[in-house]
Amino acid sequence: AQSVTQPDIHITVSEGASLELRCNYSYGATPYLFWYVQSPGQGLQLLLKYFSGDTLVQGIKGFEAEFKRSQSSFNLRKPSVHWSDAAEYVCAVGNNTDKLIFGTGTRLQVFP
Amino acid sequence: ETGVTQTPRHLVMGMTNKKSLKCEQHLGHNAMYWYKQSAKKPLELMFVYNFKEQTENNSVPSRFSPECPNSSHLFLHLHTLQPEDSALYLCASSYRSGGGTSGRTDTQYFGPGTRLTVL
Repeated sequence: AQSVTQPDIHITVSEGASLELRCNYSYGATPYLFWYVQSPGQGLQLLLKYFSGDTLVQGIKGFEAEFKRSQSSFNLRKPSVHWSDAAEYVCAVGNNTDKLIFGTGTRLQVFP
Repeated sequence: ETGVTQTPRHLVMGMTNKKSLKCEQHLGHNAMYWYKQSAKKPLELMFVYNFKEQTENNSVPSRFSPECPNSSHLFLHLHTLQPEDSALYLCASSYRSGGGTSGRTDTQYFGPGTRLTVL
């Protein structure tokens, strides 16, 4: 079955610390992978996406993610977290069709 | 306005009411989507419209009725809802090249959502 797993429901980091949010997927075809960020009461903003090519992709706000086919993972990273990064982070997988499969999200809390 | 907008942002309605949610995209896209986001659950795709035609109904109850009059506007008409329908309803749009099953869909862009509470 096709699915996306975000193992960490809630992560807390100190401001300035590095961050890695995990995303694992199960998908039968070549996946297109996405990370979105959702602030409270807001919609989803695209952080970055992977369709093909270089497996390390750069996104907005200093985020990057690495596609590892052998591990079926697409983890999101940031070297130094800012207090404004506190939000919900949602991973999604699909292909070039309309149907995206979303994870349940990871809530990031940042302490000063 | 830029991007994808949704109105109202918050809605409280009784189970016997009829209301509508509106979505408008200013991105020149030709595909639009309704999603439901409930607490602790992944986003659930409800409806998809490509080139104003409904191409996906993900087993949504008939008390939810979508309407897509043109490529820029999408509505979700609500009637006789249940308390379990309380959720954040998100609209999204994308650009789809080609029709039918051979079409290709680019990245989906989301609106801010309507927080719906059914009493």
